[in-house]
Amino acid sequence: SQQGEEDPQALSIQEGENATMNCSYKTSINNLQWYRQNSGRGLVHLILIRSNEREKHSGRLRVTLDTSKKSSSLLITASRAADTASYFCATLQETSGSRLTFGEGTQLTVNP
Amino acid sequence: KAGVTQTPRYLIKTRGQQVTLSCSPISGHRSVSWYQQTPGQGLQFLFEYFSETQRNKGNFPGRFSGRQFSNSRSEMNVSTLELGDSALYLCASSWTGSAQYFGPGTRLTVT
Repeated sequence: SQQGEEDPQALSIQEGENATMNCSYKTSINNLQWYRQNSGRGLVHLILIRSNEREKHSGRLRVTLDTSKKSSSLLITASRAADTASYFCATLQETSGSRLTFGEGTQLTVNP
Repeated sequence: KAGVTQTPRYLIKTRGQQVTLSCSPISGHRSVSWYQQTPGQGLQFLFEYFSETQRNKGNFPGRFSGRQFSNSRSEMNVSTLELGDSALYLCASSWTGSAQYFGPGTRLTVT
């Protein structure tokens, strides 16, 4: 079963716009990771944020984490058609080794 | 560094058969995890191996098994295949507690 939920399930925007995806989870975590998946292929790791961090940036990506609300958001700025993909958040609990629990994903479509 | 590799990439099997999938992790990574992805259930954790020992196991029947070799390469086996086992099987490698790096997956179709 999934640890949490992602919102929205689908998002369609124009190139150049920003895209924001949200993720909620249920239990305390060690870290939270965001992944991208293109058309049923392998997952690409985007960014990892630890439970003691509140915000992290990587290129056009900005991730925030609010452990009091058990939620995270992923912001993609100045989106491109190549950003079209499914985006998943995944949580790592403190005692779970390397076991990730995934959200249901957000399907992002960026229209040229 | 070479990424995670999985073989085969595509597989078609008949109900009742068994299948073995292989995963080679990134050099130096000792943790290998397996996930099943289906449209209905999403991404679900199967099991994790670390230094040839199963460290975590998800809620899958005993027909799903795995192992890890001394060079960290891992295999998973599914016996007595069912139609519902049709899925994308993903392998990931990592240092414990860090980012996981996924392979391209094996697409299994059971007919």
